[in-house]
Amino acid sequence: EAQVTQNPRYLITVTGKKLTVTCSQNMNHEYMSWYRQDPGLGLRQIYYSMNVEVTDKGDVPEGYKVSRKEKRNFPLILESPSPNQTSLYFCASSLGGGGNAAKNIQYFGAGTRLSVL
Amino acid sequence: QKEVEQDPGPLSVPEGAIVSLNCTYSNSAFQYFMWYRQYSRKGPELLMYTYSSGNKEDGRFTAQVDKSSKYISLFIRDSQPSDSATYLCAKGGAGGTSYGKLTFGQGTILTVHP
Repeated sequence: EAQVTQNPRYLITVTGKKLTVTCSQNMNHEYMSWYRQDPGLGLRQIYYSMNVEVTDKGDVPEGYKVSRKEKRNFPLILESPSPNQTSLYFCASSLGGGGNAAKNIQYFGAGTRLSVL
Repeated sequence: QKEVEQDPGPLSVPEGAIVSLNCTYSNSAFQYFMWYRQYSRKGPELLMYTYSSGNKEDGRFTAQVDKSSKYISLFIRDSQPSDSATYLCAKGGAGGTSYGKLTFGQGTILTVHP
């Protein structure tokens, strides 16, 4: 089954304790992205990757890191989490293909709900 | 001004009603729009996409684009309780290093009651 898998689904942590949220896709997609979703603000892109070892900042990258060492995996790292990073996080992937909408359909994971105390 | 603006609702309608969900956008440098549906405690899933030049129909769902007013709409005919979800509009295809990026609206919460 084609899917994007995120782990963990729920996480409660304390300020300053480093954490990693994993994301894996089995569709051989080139493009992967992390979003956070907050009430009234919608989905905002944190970081994205167009291929292995190619990553770039999205709209809200402060306080986050990513890496793309393998095509299928795109972990999100919070080196020193703070309460304002409490949010619902989604990983997504797509084939990626210029102006071709069908190739840029993003497939989302089920989400990770993070609480930073 | 956000690139994509969407009325968050909530919107509550009776079963069988025609639902109209709308977004406005501010940047013309894009090529396509997408509508995603998100059920509670789930990730968004694509409903349909349309290019900036046209409309599209898929069963009970119709996506429309009005380029002159920078307005995109999703119509749901004969709405069902199972349509209750958050609907997200998104635009993409801005080109250059923005290829692949989708910019989302805030999402509209829809409830269809029996």
